[in-house]
Amino acid sequence: NAGVTQTPKFQVLKTGQSMTLQCAQDMNHEYMSWYRQDPGMGLRLIHYSVGAGITDQGEVPNGYNVSRSTTEDFPLRLLSAAPSQTSVYFCASSYGRGMGGYTFGSGTRLTVV
Amino acid sequence: KNEVEQSPQNLTAQEGEFITINCSYSVGISALHWLQQHPGGGIVSLFMLSSGKKKHGRLIATINIQEKHSSLHITASHPRDSAVYICAVTDSNYQLIWGAGTKLIIKP
Repeated sequence: NAGVTQTPKFQVLKTGQSMTLQCAQDMNHEYMSWYRQDPGMGLRLIHYSVGAGITDQGEVPNGYNVSRSTTEDFPLRLLSAAPSQTSVYFCASSYGRGMGGYTFGSGTRLTVV
Repeated sequence: KNEVEQSPQNLTAQEGEFITINCSYSVGISALHWLQQHPGGGIVSLFMLSSGKKKHGRLIATINIQEKHSSLHITASHPRDSAVYICAVTDSNYQLIWGAGTKLIIKP
């Protein structure tokens, strides 16, 4: 089924460890983005991409890196995990930035201990 | 003050009731989105609108650009409608600004 595939669904990391959250879409969407969702707060934008080879920072980029080598994939890297990065992460895509509805991945629940 | 405010924060109703969730925003927008987040956590886009009204099944979304206000209505509500409903706007810089969500519980 067409959509956004996000892995893993759950992850526990120790402080200081690094990891990559994977996001892939098969809808040929140009715009992809990563959000984090914390209790009592709206989704906050971490990084986004308007096309292959183009990435930019969102509202809360510190501690995260992204790359967009292909239209389909937009991985999010945690460089050195901190307890403050405990959150639920969502990847989302759309045809263009601000254009069309958004399709979300199923989310990754990350706990940093 | 948040740029996107939703009301109410929480809403509990009986099955069959007509539900209204409100969203007010204070920035210029190119579009407004309504999304649904189920207890399992998945987020689904319900509507994107920039004017007027859209309907899908029992869901109706309206927007008044002059008043900077949108409403999401659910007719003949059902327990399966229980979820968090999120309003978000695309601002003039094409950034999505999110509301905090409205938690809806429909009791049988």
